[in-house]
Amino acid sequence: GAGVSQSPRYKVAKRGQDVALRCDPISGHVSLFWYQQALGQGPEFLTYFQNEAQLDKSGLPSDRFFAERPEGSVSTLKIQRTQQEDSAVYLCASSLLEGLELFFGEGSRLTVL
Amino acid sequence: SQQGEEDPQALSIQEGENATMNCSYKTSINNLQWYRQNSGRGLVHLILIRSNEREKHSGRLRVTLDTSKKSSSLLITASRAADTASYFCATDLWNNNDMRFGAGTRLTVKP
Repeated sequence: GAGVSQSPRYKVAKRGQDVALRCDPISGHVSLFWYQQALGQGPEFLTYFQNEAQLDKSGLPSDRFFAERPEGSVSTLKIQRTQQEDSAVYLCASSLLEGLELFFGEGSRLTVL
Repeated sequence: SQQGEEDPQALSIQEGENATMNCSYKTSINNLQWYRQNSGRGLVHLILIRSNEREKHSGRLRVTLDTSKKSSSLLITASRAADTASYFCATDLWNNNDMRFGAGTRLTVKP
């Protein structure tokens, strides 16, 4: 594809609901990152994949957060039993190889009521 | 946790002036990158500088890197109203390819 695609762009969830956010990286990109960005803040690292391997998940805030990239392409970030503090923009980025520039999607804005 | 910190948090200048933003980081790195984010959009890569480089130019952008001070600066010359955005530095760790971002500098360029 032309760029990194994220869906949905906007999601409103009731507290306690589960949500799934999808990221389609640029075809052939090895590395994939998930970030959480609160209003007026910088992107906070959540997790990183190299192909299908999740190499670092140290940024996931709790065990309610889970990410996967089973075939080394599309990735899904799942948040179980959402809480109000989960409200943020979730950004996905991919890069061709490690250490190269990141290409970002437009983000998925999650609002938990 | 965030690796870098930008300074200042906010900067307001007139069109035509130069804008300088600084970034400090905590641990040894392989490379440092600068990104730009317009309100409500994703981040866009501006420039990458490797740990063995000291200065890099791209159009109106000039980036310096001082690994002894663990700091970098981004200079935008002859600023334009369209440069209004948030600017972030990002670093990887020398033994880890995660990219960690700072809190950003919000730049406003007044026409």
